[in-house]
Amino acid sequence: QKEVEQDPGPLSVPEGAIVSLNCTYSNSAFQYFMWYRQYSRKGPELLMYTYSSGNKEDGRFTAQVDKSSKYISLFIRDSQPSDSATYLCAPYNTNAGKSTFGDGTTLTVKP
Amino acid sequence: DGGITQSPKYLFRKEGQNVTLSCEQNLNHDAMYWYRQDPGQGLRLIYYSQIVNDFQKGDIAEGYSVSREKKESFPLTVTSAQKNPTAFYLCASRPGGGLGNEQFFGPGTRLTVL
Repeated sequence: QKEVEQDPGPLSVPEGAIVSLNCTYSNSAFQYFMWYRQYSRKGPELLMYTYSSGNKEDGRFTAQVDKSSKYISLFIRDSQPSDSATYLCAPYNTNAGKSTFGDGTTLTVKP
Repeated sequence: DGGITQSPKYLFRKEGQNVTLSCEQNLNHDAMYWYRQDPGQGLRLIYYSQIVNDFQKGDIAEGYSVSREKKESFPLTVTSAQKNPTAFYLCASRPGGGLGNEQFFGPGTRLTVL
């Protein structure tokens, strides 16, 4: 079993839709929960992160972590064609100094 | 202009040859990482280094080697022992020292073994 399992997708939605991207993890040592966005043939870039359980909002994006159920979510409101990319959840283990990446969910937002 | 550079962008090699991928950063970051990405998959950690002259194996280190002689450089050698080396290789760095956990990625090197 993988340490991080991500809903595989792909996901195709109309512009303006609410998108939910989800991951589960098994390692209790993860303390930070990062979301990276990767455009085709590019390196990933950090979208946002949360520390421990709770919600964090940044514009149209909300990251949510429930440590009791080991569940990570990213919500995108009013999705735009420019949001079309692959989204990677990447919980981070501070003690080990490394992240473990999910396989990514590819999102397409159609105008 | 601060950032991470990887070279070359595309690399073609014959089977059985060793090849070295370059990764340089001028962000003064302590930690550096090498990942491999296959189509439709996430990033798998090959090697990482949290400080100069020290590095650790990741999840898929077999057939790869690294060195960290300078803070700004972390080259990756793909050896002939790597059974299926064709992939997209990504280098990343992280500040370390309690300055943040975000990883900054380079543009990647696409390696094709013929």
